[in-house]
Amino acid sequence: DQQVKQNSPSLSVQEGRISILNCDYTNSMFDYFLWYKKYPAEGPTFLISISSIKDKNEDGRFTVFLNKSAKHLSLHIVPSQPGDSAVYFCAASAKGRGSTLGRLYFGRGTQLTVWP
Amino acid sequence: GAVVSQHPSRVICKSGTSVKIECRSLDFQATTMFWYRQFPKQSLMLMATSNEGSKATYEQGVEKDKFLINHASLTLSTLTVTSAHPEDSSFYICSAKSGGASTDTQYFGPGTRLTVL
Repeated sequence: DQQVKQNSPSLSVQEGRISILNCDYTNSMFDYFLWYKKYPAEGPTFLISISSIKDKNEDGRFTVFLNKSAKHLSLHIVPSQPGDSAVYFCAASAKGRGSTLGRLYFGRGTQLTVWP
Repeated sequence: GAVVSQHPSRVICKSGTSVKIECRSLDFQATTMFWYRQFPKQSLMLMATSNEGSKATYEQGVEKDKFLINHASLTLSTLTVTSAHPEDSSFYICSAKSGGASTDTQYFGPGTRLTVL
């Protein structure tokens, strides 16, 4: 059962425009969310995270928005650059009893292509 | 900071042999390390979670006797694929986490491509 879902397998955006990657989750116990970027044959690279006590976190060109009532988060990249082309994974974790190991649940990823 | 290395990056072996993959946290102490497997065009599948000095916790469906995990120190975990078969061919990735429950960010290694002939 996929508790974290990325319903768009791919996204194509022109350089300079905004890229919006979406993620939905089903488990209301999730309280920490992360975005990772992955190139082929490499491990994921941590991009940005957000705690459930916030609804927005910004780091340079990357902003993550969290809508807890809708169980939805999104990653905005502005402006998009060709080097941003990669697979982006959304991940979530839940603290509390039984979750102290910090297990992450991943979506299937969205392939972002930024064209010149 | 937060660099995780894996060795080897690529390994080809014959069916029936065992392969050991190392995962090291280079600039922090990893209280917990995770081992994932990724199939083509699929998400990361968690195989097991290990804490330094204790037995690993395996996910349902993962054979603990086939995928031996050792977390001997706060900077090193190893995954040994025993009696490897072609179906074990995959991309194996480790990650490491420092700190307590308040820190849930995992940092990933570059991955190991295993090909079993």
